[in-house]
Amino acid sequence: GEDVEQSLFLSVREGDSSVINCTYTDSSSTYLYWYKQEPGAGLQLLTYIFSNMDMKQDQRLTVLLNKKDKHLSLRIADTQTGDSAIYFCAEGSGGYNKLIFGAGTRLAVHP
Amino acid sequence: EAGVAQSPRYKIIEKRQSVAFWCNPISGHATLYWYQQILGQGPKLLIQFQNNGVVDDSQLPKDRFSAERLKGVDSTLKIQPAKLEDSAVYLCASSPPRQVTEAFFGQGTRLTVV
Repeated sequence: GEDVEQSLFLSVREGDSSVINCTYTDSSSTYLYWYKQEPGAGLQLLTYIFSNMDMKQDQRLTVLLNKKDKHLSLRIADTQTGDSAIYFCAEGSGGYNKLIFGAGTRLAVHP
Repeated sequence: EAGVAQSPRYKIIEKRQSVAFWCNPISGHATLYWYQQILGQGPKLLIQFQNNGVVDDSQLPKDRFSAERLKGVDSTLKIQPAKLEDSAVYLCASSPPRQVTEAFFGQGTRLTVV
């Protein structure tokens, strides 16, 4: 079946790196996504990775994919207070690329 | 480019009443999604449209929820009758006809059933 799991909470100091982890179950997922949700707002796509890639870097964001273990991670370098939000991992599943979301990881950045 | 528009932003109803939500996707986006996000949880897909056809409604409680997408553009989601457990944020999203599903989300409608 389809399931995406994430740790629920992460606290980091401003300037440190944050690593948010996710596991998924659908081995046929073509794309995996990271979305960000700020309070009172809808979800915003941060980045995505194609399933035949191991790593993708986009400015302060690095996505690592271990397809064998179905493990996805998002690293945010030099974390800022503006990065405080809920981060959702999602897998694109099925022929119409249905998006299945995890429960979200709340990132708290403190001085 | 205008984003996904949803209305109303907030709605409070009593249990057993009916409610409807409206979504206007980004122009040209073939795929439209309705998600339910209960407090503290991730969004759960209720229904996915490709143009005006349903491609996935496996998690839609069809005894009380219904959705339609008129002429492949706007969409409405209805709950009749509402239950207390329907209290949630209802998110609409749309994505263009590309392989990568870059879904654009609206701000959502927060429903409280009392």
